Amino acid sequence: TQLLEQSPQFLSIQEGENLTVYCNSSSVFSSLQWYRQEPGEGPVLLVTVVTGGEVKKLKRLTFQFGDARKDSSLHITAAQPGDTGLYLCAGNSGGSNYKLTFGKGTLLTVNP
Amino acid sequence: GAVVSQHPSWVICKSGTSVKIECRSLDFQATTMFWYRQFPKQSLMLMATSNEGSKATYEQGVEKDKFLINHASLTLSTLTVTSAHPEDSSFYICSAGGLTGIPTDTQYFGPGTRLTVL
Repeated sequence: TQLLEQSPQFLSIQEGENLTVYCNSSSVFSSLQWYRQEPGEGPVLLVTVVTGGEVKKLKRLTFQFGDARKDSSLHITAAQPGDTGLYLCAGNSGGSNYKLTFGKGTLLTVNP
Repeated sequence: GAVVSQHPSWVICKSGTSVKIECRSLDFQATTMFWYRQFPKQSLMLMATSNEGSKATYEQGVEKDKFLINHASLTLSTLTVTSAHPEDSSFYICSAGGLTGIPTDTQYFGPGTRLTVL
């Protein structure tokens, strides 16, 4: 069974601070997705990274896929209260069933 | 973008009754749909994977006779919680994958259904 270790599990910061969320595994993934979820809603896809070493930017969010495709990070610059939510990483090991392995999530609270 | 809907968004039922939740892909066809369960402030737990026209594949520990999944078309999958009990109360989320023109490993999620069993 593939596992994705996500850390930290909880993070409470002040507006304007920077933060990084990590997802690590001993397994190789063909791709990795990051989602953001607000209470009472479904996860919303932020980004998919596919190539080892890939870096993608989405406004103040920077996503990195490790060279070996076993780990990924999400960095948020100058966090805002609107960034509050549950951040989930999910990896796909390949194959035809499209099944994702989810990390346990990072509950981020950005205080004004 | 790919939009997935769920109905109902919330449901309250009495213990012992059955509840059906629908998951629809609104403007595309999805080869595969997934059903997840989520407890407060926790990650998603995959319950089963369903492919159109075939039996669902359930994850270990998920009772297939309790959580009936039907995937009758490329745009509709249903999850029926049979003889629901309070411990079945949870947030149920579906997702669709294998979409034409979309990376094969990307899933798009529905908004979820909050089930409360009294």
